[in-house]
Amino acid sequence: QKEVEQNSGPLSVPEGAIASLNCTYSDRGSQSFFWYRQYSGKSPELIMFIYSNGDKEDGRFTAQLNKASQYVSLLIRDSQPSDSATYLCAVNTGSSGAGSYQLTFGKGTKLSVIP
Amino acid sequence: NAGVMQNPRHLVRRRGQEARLRCSPMKGHSHVYWYRQLPEEGLKFMVYLQKENIIDESGMPKERFSAEFPKEGPSILRIQQVVRGDSAAYFCASSRPPTSTDTQYFGPGTRLTVL
Repeated sequence: QKEVEQNSGPLSVPEGAIASLNCTYSDRGSQSFFWYRQYSGKSPELIMFIYSNGDKEDGRFTAQLNKASQYVSLLIRDSQPSDSATYLCAVNTGSSGAGSYQLTFGKGTKLSVIP
Repeated sequence: NAGVMQNPRHLVRRRGQEARLRCSPMKGHSHVYWYRQLPEEGLKFMVYLQKENIIDESGMPKERFSAEFPKEGPSILRIQQVVRGDSAAYFCASSRPPTSTDTQYFGPGTRLTVL
């Protein structure tokens, strides 16, 4: 069974600090990786995607991927109280041969940024 | 509004009734995915459709659940004879004709409550 694991948290960081969110996945054939942010009672909002090993930066967010270790992370620099949400790691685990691109989600890490 | 649209946003049904959830994909998108989020659980893939075709229904419960995406109109997720365990948030996501690296964008969700 294809699995995506995240530390459920809560992760508390002071305002202005770096928040580090981690995710591991079981399917070595996975090709694409996504981070979504979900505020309570709202829908998932795409923050970052990454396909290649290494780092990808977008504003205050940096995604890191290590396929050999089956590990993906999200760093949030200069954390703000508005970043307080649940962060969902998602992995494309569909079978491209069958034409399906379903996402498998972790249960999410709840981040709390303390003013 | 060019985003993914879902309606109704909230739906209350009594046990044994039918629930119909609708999803209109983002403009320019022709592929729809349905996910379910149970309370305190992660998002779980249910079904992936393109117009007039179910591509992958590996996440759908075997009974009472069905989905369609007709040539005209929204995609519909139908739950017959609802039970209390069906209470959840149901999210629709859409994408362009996907590759393994394409991104899915989520609608606001339908929150189903079964009394």
